[in-house]
Amino acid sequence: DTEVTQTPKHLVMGMTNKKSLKCEQHMGHRAMYWYKQKAKKPPELMFVYSYEKLSINESVPSRFSPECPNSSLLNLHLHALQPEDSALYLCASSQDFSNGGNGNTIYFGEGSWLTVV
Amino acid sequence: AQSVTQLGSHVSVSEGALVLLRCNYSSSVPPYLFWYVQYPNQGLQLLLKYTSAATLVKGINGFEAEFKKSETSFHLTKPSAHMSDAAEYFCAVLTNAGKSTFGDGTTLTVKP
Repeated sequence: DTEVTQTPKHLVMGMTNKKSLKCEQHMGHRAMYWYKQKAKKPPELMFVYSYEKLSINESVPSRFSPECPNSSLLNLHLHALQPEDSALYLCASSQDFSNGGNGNTIYFGEGSWLTVV
Repeated sequence: AQSVTQLGSHVSVSEGALVLLRCNYSSSVPPYLFWYVQYPNQGLQLLLKYTSAATLVKGINGFEAEFKKSETSFHLTKPSAHMSDAAEYFCAVLTNAGKSTFGDGTTLTVKP
C-alpha cells in the first residue's frame, strides 16, 4: 500500500469551478511533487517542493496553483480549467531533493482522476 | 541531458514465459535508474532501483534488472509471467537536477 495518500480519488468539475486536490505523506520526506498523466502516457512533472518551498515549476499554467502548508501536506488548487486538463494527477514524495536527489526513490500516490466538463 | 528509451510499446507473453522489457539510458554520468509498474486505474509502484551498489538488482514480485554500462541498458526481466503481471511498465532516470524522467512506457499483456 502506498504511503502517499491523495484525495479525492475522482473529481468532476466545470470550467468555472474552483476545487483542490490534496496529498499527504507521513514518511518524513522533505520533497513533494505533482505530476500530470494523460492516458497511455508517462507522468509529466508539474511542480516540486523541497523543504516546503517551491523548487520547480515546469511552466505550468497559472490555473494550477500548488501549496505546501507543511512538510506532510501538498495541495493543488484548480481554477478555470479546460477540458484538456482532464487527466490523472499524481502526488509523490521523496526523502530529499537537494544535490540531484541523491538517488532517492520517488514514491507515488494512487492519483486523483480529474474530469473537466 | 539524461533520458531513457523503452523499446517496444507493447509486449505480449504467455503465462509462464519469460518477461523481457527493454530500457536504454542516456547519461554522461552514472545514472540512478528505476522501474515502476502501473496497474489499471492506479498510481505508480516502485519495482526496483539501481544506484550503483550492484549491477543485478532484484525487485518485488519476482522482477529483476541488470545494469549494463557497455550497452547503456537496464532491461527488466521475470522468469515466469503471471496473469497478474499485466500492467504498464515505466523505466525512469533520476537526473542531476533531481527530476525523474520517464520512458514512454511498455504495456505488458499476459495470455493464458
